[in-house]
Amino acid sequence: DQQVKQNSPSLSVQEGRISILNCDYTNSMFDYFLWYKKYPAEGPTFLISISSIKDKNEDGRFTVFLNKSAKHLSLHIVPSQPGDSAVYFCAASAITGTASKLTFGTGTRLQVTL
Amino acid sequence: DTGVSQDPRHKITKRGQNVTFRCDPISEHNRLYWYRQTLGQGPEFLTYFQNEAQLEKSRLLSDRFSAERPKGSFSTLEIQRTEQGDSAMYLCASTAGRNYGYTFGSGTRLTVV
Repeated sequence: DQQVKQNSPSLSVQEGRISILNCDYTNSMFDYFLWYKKYPAEGPTFLISISSIKDKNEDGRFTVFLNKSAKHLSLHIVPSQPGDSAVYFCAASAITGTASKLTFGTGTRLQVTL
Repeated sequence: DTGVSQDPRHKITKRGQNVTFRCDPISEHNRLYWYRQTLGQGPEFLTYFQNEAQLEKSRLLSDRFSAERPKGSFSTLEIQRTEQGDSAMYLCASTAGRNYGYTFGSGTRLTVV
């Protein structure tokens, strides 16, 4: 049972444009959400997070939006840069579960073209 | 502080052999996690330590798998009698608390032939 879903395996965006990566979840107990970026041959790197008490969190070029009623979150990258090309994972945790245990989606490969 | 360190980076082993991986977390992080990632999937939770105590194990962690974190510092993950299905990237992560996100190591890629 895939509790965190990233339905787009890949996305291609031109440099300077907005990249929007989407994530859906099914477990209503999830209350904390994170995005990670992964380059080949490296471990995932934490990007940005959001608590369920918020609907938006911004950090520089990265903004995460949370729609709890739709059980949907998205990551916006503006403007996109070639160095953003990587695999992006959405992850979620539930406060009632193992402390900080994360459930990951399958990832979206973002390619930023010149 | 050089982040989370994992050793070895790559391991090729014959089916039936035992392998052991090591993870050195960030020194002030009391929480340590092991995850496994296979091709086309996101990382999957295996086990979690708070200091030296192993507080949860996933059902993915069969009896052939054992993890330790003596003295709450580095951790080891051992796989006995390896099978081809064990081939994956094994990721270690540490964190100081829930709201900080994990710091992952670069992983150990295991290939069972």
